[in-house]
Amino acid sequence: DGGITQSPKYLFRKEGQNVTLSCEQNLNHDAMYWYRQDPGQGLRLIYYSQIVNDFQKGDIAEGYSVSREKKESFPLTVTSAQKNPTAFYLCASRQGDSDEKLFFGSGTQLSVL
Amino acid sequence: GEDVEQSLFLSVREGDSSVINCTYTDSSSTYLYWYKQEPGAGLQLLTYIFSNMDMKQDQRLTVLLNKKDKHLSLRIADTQTGDSAIYFCAEGTSGSARQLTFGSGTQLTVLP
Repeated sequence: DGGITQSPKYLFRKEGQNVTLSCEQNLNHDAMYWYRQDPGQGLRLIYYSQIVNDFQKGDIAEGYSVSREKKESFPLTVTSAQKNPTAFYLCASRQGDSDEKLFFGSGTQLSVL
Repeated sequence: GEDVEQSLFLSVREGDSSVINCTYTDSSSTYLYWYKQEPGAGLQLLTYIFSNMDMKQDQRLTVLLNKKDKHLSLRIADTQTGDSAIYFCAEGTSGSARQLTFGSGTQLTVLP
């Protein structure tokens, strides 16, 4: 089945540690996105990528980094510079500029130890 | 910038209709969406409507759009306990790589 796979489902970060969240899609979608969700709030855009080897900052990129070396993969690194990383992280993808539908993975819950 | 607003909570009795409301500010919005999120899961696209439409119906779901007032609503007929979830309204503009602006979500609770 085609879809978006996020791993791990749960992740714990120690102080000063960088952690990487995985996002893989087999939908052959061009564009991929990372959102952060906090309780009682909408989704906020962290980074997005329209094409391999290119990505843009979203509204809350500080403390995060991404790479897009392959079309199907868009990993997100939460660096130690992100002082409040506890949140639910959602990866999404869509076909391209002509496709308005955004599809989501099942999310990763990141917590600080 | 763009803003999308929703009320945070809604409770209905099983079998009744639910109406979830949303307002948005971006007059250039091309598409408006409704997503459903169950606990600990990602967002599932329920339905969407083009900004040149007034209404869209899909089985138990009816979307109404008042473009003049920038008001969107989602009506769920014969609400079931399985409809309990968070519902997100979102708006987007065709050709915009940044994609969607989301509301804060409405927690729908269906009471037996």
